[in-house]
Parts: sequence; C-alpha cells; structure tokens
Amino acid sequence: KAGVTQTPRYLIKTRGQQVTLSCSPISGHRSVSWYQQTPGQGLQFLFEYFSETQRNKGNFPGRFSGRQFSNSRSEMNVSTLELGDSALYLCASSLGAQMNTEAFFGQGTRLTVV
Amino acid sequence: AQSVSQHNHHVILSEAASLELGCNYSYGGTVNLFWYVQYPGQHLQLLLKYFSGDPLVKGIKGFEAEFIKSKFSFNLRKPSVQWSDTAEYFCAVINTGTASKLTFGTGTRLQVTL
Repeated sequence: KAGVTQTPRYLIKTRGQQVTLSCSPISGHRSVSWYQQTPGQGLQFLFEYFSETQRNKGNFPGRFSGRQFSNSRSEMNVSTLELGDSALYLCASSLGAQMNTEAFFGQGTRLTVV
Repeated sequence: AQSVSQHNHHVILSEAASLELGCNYSYGGTVNLFWYVQYPGQHLQLLLKYFSGDPLVKGIKGFEAEFIKSKFSFNLRKPSVQWSDTAEYFCAVINTGTASKLTFGTGTRLQVTL
C-alpha cells in the first residue's frame, strides 16, 4: 500500500512569505502529525489532527497552523516566514484511535527560507 | 514534560562490532517506546517498538531493545553491525497523556566502517 506522501519535496521561500505544505496519509489512517526536524533542535512535535480536529499541539508560535480534511489529508501553513523556519518538515500518519499504534513517516518537505 | 535523552551523539564502529545505543526517558506513567532509523536521504522508519509484555523486543534487521522500567531506559542493541547500518537512530516515547505526540531524542549518528 502507498506510504505517506508529502508535497512538495523542496521549497525555497523568502522571509515574510507564507507557505503551505501538504500531507496525504496512508489509506485508512485518521491521525496526522507534523514534526519539524533541524540539526540543532532535532525532531520537534508541531501538532496532530484526528478526524479533522486538532488533538495535540506542540510549543510553536501561532504562525504555525494546520488543518485536516474529511479524507484525512492534512496541510500545515507557516506565515511570516523567518530564517529559523528553515527545516525538514515531516508528516506522520497512524490509525490514531489508540495509543499503541505506530506512526509512519513521509519523506518530508525541505523548506529553505532566504 | 517528558523528555528523551540519547547519550551517544556520534558512534563509529567497524563492521561486525557490537552496538549498544543508550536511551533514557523521563516520565513516570505508562509509556510506549520506539526506535526509528533514518538512512541517508530516506524517511524515518520504525526499527522496533515496545507497548507491553516482554521487555526484550526484537525488530527488523537484527536489532533488539530492552525496556528496563526501573531505569527508565530503552537501549538499542545489535550483536554485529553491517556497513548498511550507517544511519541516524532516534529513540522516541509516547505517554498516555499525550497519546498522539511522539517525543524524540536528539538522535545518534552511527557510522560503520569496512
């Protein structure tokens, strides 16, 4: 079965712009989580959506937002981009209903802010 | 807040050497534990997971990990590494309070030399 698909794979944006990243989870998975990966901070949790509702949120500013659609696809948006937002953004999907389910990761979107 | 510590940041081993990567977490409640691997240029893949039961869990590619609750540890082991094991390894934990949020360690870069 198809894995987690993230688009686009690479993005270059200018400071102050906004960006939208997309994630299509594995078929049947209802939970989608987003993570930011940087060399300095490692993998940090952004937020998680389950059945179109944000169920959990990390410690990121309000410039970072997301949403989930009825087909479980998710988007995350970053407004007023800063240089420090340059990172690999990873999406993970899981069945989501219970704790003991594993997360499957996409290949990520590498965002460069110049 | 929960946290995960990986004490080895960069490990260099010769092929056939034994591997042990340390992982400690801080959380007093029930947790699920994971080891993920990220090969160069590839997405995060699950190596193994612990939900409950036998504290010694076996994963893919000959890896295993032991959950020691009293030590809050979940160390990863492999008796004999191969050059193809060169990758970055991440320990992660989920607790019952934030069932959808994976907290990752900072990762250990493993380099296996021929």
